[in-house]
Amino acid sequence: DTGVSQNPRHKITKRGQNVTFRCDPISEHNRLYWYRQTLGQGPEFLTYFQNEAQLEKSRLLSDRFSAERPKGSFSTLEIQRTEQGDSAMYLCASSLSGTGGYKLFFGSGTQLSVL
Amino acid sequence: AQRVTQPEKLLSVFKGAPVELKCNYSYSGSPELFWYVQYSRQRLQLLLRHISRESIKGFTADLNKGETSFHLKKPFAQEEDSAMYYCALGTGGFKTIFGAGTRLFVKA
Repeated sequence: DTGVSQNPRHKITKRGQNVTFRCDPISEHNRLYWYRQTLGQGPEFLTYFQNEAQLEKSRLLSDRFSAERPKGSFSTLEIQRTEQGDSAMYLCASSLSGTGGYKLFFGSGTQLSVL
Repeated sequence: AQRVTQPEKLLSVFKGAPVELKCNYSYSGSPELFWYVQYSRQRLQLLLRHISRESIKGFTADLNKGETSFHLKKPFAQEEDSAMYYCALGTGGFKTIFGAGTRLFVKA
């Protein structure tokens, strides 16, 4: 499968624990995005990378959230001191800048449950 | 404010009937509009975008800047069209804002 890959598919954690998710974009895509989706809502933008540079962070992204994309390849999203309100589907997407810049290719997501 | 509104959470139609999924947007700049679709147990994927002016799987959507709308239409719905549909707005070169989605259910 040469699409966007996310791991793990599911994560159950206790409140206060730290969690880390990984996203492997389509190899030639230079843009990578993280979105969060809760039940009954569409995906909400969290952050965006162009190559290794994080160019935008949503106000939704509190200081407990951090994302990295070392070497402009895979990305990780870490949530520290998780809260029950962090329970959601975390989606990663990638795209190629230029005429196809808005054509987002999504991964299957990581479903986080905070108990 | 940048916003996408999909007024219907659920739309149920019979097979062969026309379908229209509504989308309205709010954006002060020049909008780029998209429809994404998520079929059962599949990942979210792009269906069509206004700039391409294309028809995908029989679906079309016309951008109406006067009414700030981008409704998705299909003249004859098929059962395989049953899915979750998200209208999306491209802003600022990289950020895409999604509506809350409309679940389309096509009855046999």
